[in-house]
Amino acid sequence: GAGVSQSPSNKVTEKGKDVELRCDPISGHTALYWYRQSLGQGLEFLIYFQGNSAPDKSGLPSDRFSAERTGGSVSTLTIQRTQQEDSAVYLCASSAGESYSNQPQHFGDGTRLSIL
Amino acid sequence: GENVEQHPSTLSVQEGDSAVIKCTYSDSASNYFPWYKQELGKGPQLIIDIRSNVGEKKDQRIAVTLNKTAKHFSLHITETQPEDSAVYFCAASKFTSGEKLTFGTGTRLTIIP
Repeated sequence: GAGVSQSPSNKVTEKGKDVELRCDPISGHTALYWYRQSLGQGLEFLIYFQGNSAPDKSGLPSDRFSAERTGGSVSTLTIQRTQQEDSAVYLCASSAGESYSNQPQHFGDGTRLSIL
Repeated sequence: GENVEQHPSTLSVQEGDSAVIKCTYSDSASNYFPWYKQELGKGPQLIIDIRSNVGEKKDQRIAVTLNKTAKHFSLHITETQPEDSAVYFCAASKFTSGEKLTFGTGTRLTIIP
């Protein structure tokens, strides 16, 4: 079946511009996660959605970062006024995740974001 | 918060030999430990996972062991093949954290033909 789909696969933008990254989770998965992978920081958690609500936003690095999820499916991660330190691969994962069940997380191939 | 340490950072083994990657975690409440394989340009792929009520789990050439007392878990790959070459990540999570994963820093495994 279809896995987690992320778009675009690559994004190059100028410093100060806003960017939107999209994630389509596996059909029926209620839990959705955003992570960031960079050379200096490894894989870092950003935000977790259960359905359309985000009970854990603790990993968002600044108020320039926001995310939403609509219809319990697609999620968008928005970065405003991008900075060079935002350059990284942004990964989305989904799981069947009834709360507190430790369901396996399945990852997309990420969006590679480069800020010039 | 949780801290996961992973060793070694790089590992080279001859084809057919075994490879072992080790991780330690800090939060005794963590109860789920997955391992991911990441190939160049791809997202992490789940290869095996273990829960804290189990000490060992095996899937063909891959096995994971967990020592809750020592807060230590390991990935074992036997009869290594060239396609096993990749970066491997361990991770930990617990019920009360919304299942977010805390990752180790990764091990680049190279299989020498």
